Amino acid sequence: GAGVSQSPSNKVTEKGKDVELRCDPISGHTALYWYRQSLGQGLEFLIYFQGNSAPDKSGLPSDRFSAERTGGSVSTLTIQRTQQEDSAVYLCASSSTSNEQFFGPGTRLTVL
Amino acid sequence: AQSVTQLDSQVPVFEEAPVELRCNYSSSVSVYLFWYVQYPNQGLQLLLKYLSGSTLVKGINGFEAEFNKSQTSFHLRKPSVHISDTAEYFCAVSGLDNTDKLIFGTGTRLQVFP
Repeated sequence: GAGVSQSPSNKVTEKGKDVELRCDPISGHTALYWYRQSLGQGLEFLIYFQGNSAPDKSGLPSDRFSAERTGGSVSTLTIQRTQQEDSAVYLCASSSTSNEQFFGPGTRLTVL
Repeated sequence: AQSVTQLDSQVPVFEEAPVELRCNYSSSVSVYLFWYVQYPNQGLQLLLKYLSGSTLVKGINGFEAEFNKSQTSFHLRKPSVHISDTAEYFCAVSGLDNTDKLIFGTGTRLQVFP
């Protein structure tokens, strides 16, 4: 079956612009996670969704970051007023009840 | 709070040689343990996981890992590596709730030479 998909695969933006990153989880997976992978910080947790609610937003680095999930499926991570330190690969993962998270290929964000 | 330490940032090895990638964790509560592999320009793929039971866990591609509670370690091993094993390997922990987030180590780059 289809895995986790993310779009775009690459995004180049100018400092100060807003960006939206999309994640399509595996069908039927109720849990969805966003992580960020950067050279300086490694792999960091950002936010977790169970259905449409986000019980754990503890990893969001600032109030410029927000995320939503609609219909218990697609999720969008929005970064407002992007900064150069936001440059990273943003990874999405989904899971059911098996303790295994399935990861998408990521979106590489470059802020100029 | 939980944390994961992967002491080796890079491990060079010749093809068909054995390899061990080290992982130590810290946690005040019981955890689940995972190894993920990331091939160039790809997402993370689960190699193996320890949830409970036998401390020796076998995964895909001939990898195995042993959970050692007293040493808080979960080292990854393979008896004979292939060129295709060249990748970044991440050790991770999570709490026991099946929806808990993953806490990752900084990764180990395995480079296999012919």
